[in-house]
Amino acid sequence: NAGVMQNPRHLVRRRGQEARLRCSPMKGHSHVYWYRQLPEEGLKFMVYLQKENIIDESGMPKERFSAEFPKEGPSILRIQQVVRGDSAAYFCASSHGTGFTDTQYFGPGTRLTVL
Amino acid sequence: TQLLEQSPQFLSIQEGENLTVYCNSSSVFSSLQWYRQEPGEGPVLLVTVVTGGEVKKLKRLTFQFGDARKDSSLHITAAQPGDTGLYLCAGGNDYKLSFGAGTTVTVRA
Repeated sequence: NAGVMQNPRHLVRRRGQEARLRCSPMKGHSHVYWYRQLPEEGLKFMVYLQKENIIDESGMPKERFSAEFPKEGPSILRIQQVVRGDSAAYFCASSHGTGFTDTQYFGPGTRLTVL
Repeated sequence: TQLLEQSPQFLSIQEGENLTVYCNSSSVFSSLQWYRQEPGEGPVLLVTVVTGGEVKKLKRLTFQFGDARKDSSLHITAAQPGDTGLYLCAGGNDYKLSFGAGTTVTVRA
């Protein structure tokens, strides 16, 4: 399967715990994006990364959230000290380039539930 | 923030009927994408339109981009149960896509 892979598909955490979401982009793609989808709302851009660099994190909350895309391995979205409002579906997308015609391919998402 | 509004929010039709979903914005976009999302899955790209007034056809699906590149429509002819899903439009000027909240389409057999 050469598509975008995300794991885990479902993650349950208690308030105050940490959540780590992983994303492996499509083969040959070096641009990774994270989006969050809340119930009854559209997907909201969070962060755009290239290998070892955060390019745009304007959509990411300033506290508790961080993202990385190391030279080796998947991209990680990390949420520290989760709260109930963090419950959502988190989607990763990847693209070959960043032009407005470059398609972003989405992974299946991680559904985070905070108890 | 560039907002995209989709209408209707929900649409339920009988198999064989036609349907149209709308996507409107006050902002101009360089491109507009339509995605379909199944429950528990990620959005899957259906089409990208980039030219004002552009019309693209994909089997029974027809996509139109407004002349001013602020709005778009998706028309499905002779809908089938397999067309059931959440249809999302997304506008982009660069890498940052702005999504509408989606239209949930249910096609009854």
